[in-house]
Amino acid sequence: EIVMTQSPATLSVSPGERATLSCRASQSVSSNLAWYQQKPGQAPRLLIYGASTRATGIPARFSGSGSGTGFTLTISSLQSEDFAVYYCQQYNNWPYTFGQGTKLEIK
Amino acid sequence: EVQLVESGGGSVQPGGSLRLSCAASGFAFNSYAMSWVRQAPGRGLEWVSSISGSGGGTNYADSVKGRFTISRDNSKTTLYLQVSSLRAEDTAVYYCAKHPYGGYNFFDSWGQGTLVTVSS
Repeated sequence: EIVMTQSPATLSVSPGERATLSCRASQSVSSNLAWYQQKPGQAPRLLIYGASTRATGIPARFSGSGSGTGFTLTISSLQSEDFAVYYCQQYNNWPYTFGQGTKLEIK
Repeated sequence: EVQLVESGGGSVQPGGSLRLSCAASGFAFNSYAMSWVRQAPGRGLEWVSSISGSGGGTNYADSVKGRFTISRDNSKTTLYLQVSSLRAEDTAVYYCAKHPYGGYNFFDSWGQGTLVTVSS
């Protein structure tokens, strides 16, 4: 099973600033990596797939990069609605596995 | 608009069973693989099971293999998860999730979830 490790566990950032979230895979997943956003009491929402392709309706301030074992989600200028938990997920190998999440909180 | 509405959760004793349902609308249901993903209280996401669009192919996480059964009724555009021999560690919100077209194994739409609580 591929283990996905996200860092940091919690990230405190001020509105308007940039946030950089990391996700590392225990073995290569090529570009088969997705990012999700989850707000309290809500279902996850797909943000990024293929490591760098924004899902439909996702604002351009969200961008993804990386391949192989190292990936980054960048939010260029944080809005109030962006404070949430973010998960990465690899879909290169069964079983499909998620990282433990990064909580993005207001500084 | 894609809509996924789960139901069937509840409180059950260890060893018990439930059938979870996910009513789908707004897309050609039989053309898309579907999955169940769960989230224990205060924890992260765990993929549970997937099924192909035709229903002919299924797979399961090791943690539920032999206890859970995924199925679908394309005529009713409904996804199911039969959960049996339940354990305390199965307590979670269970989400149904739609795969994108083309067989990729990420999830582009999610339901709101149904809570399963296993407790004596």
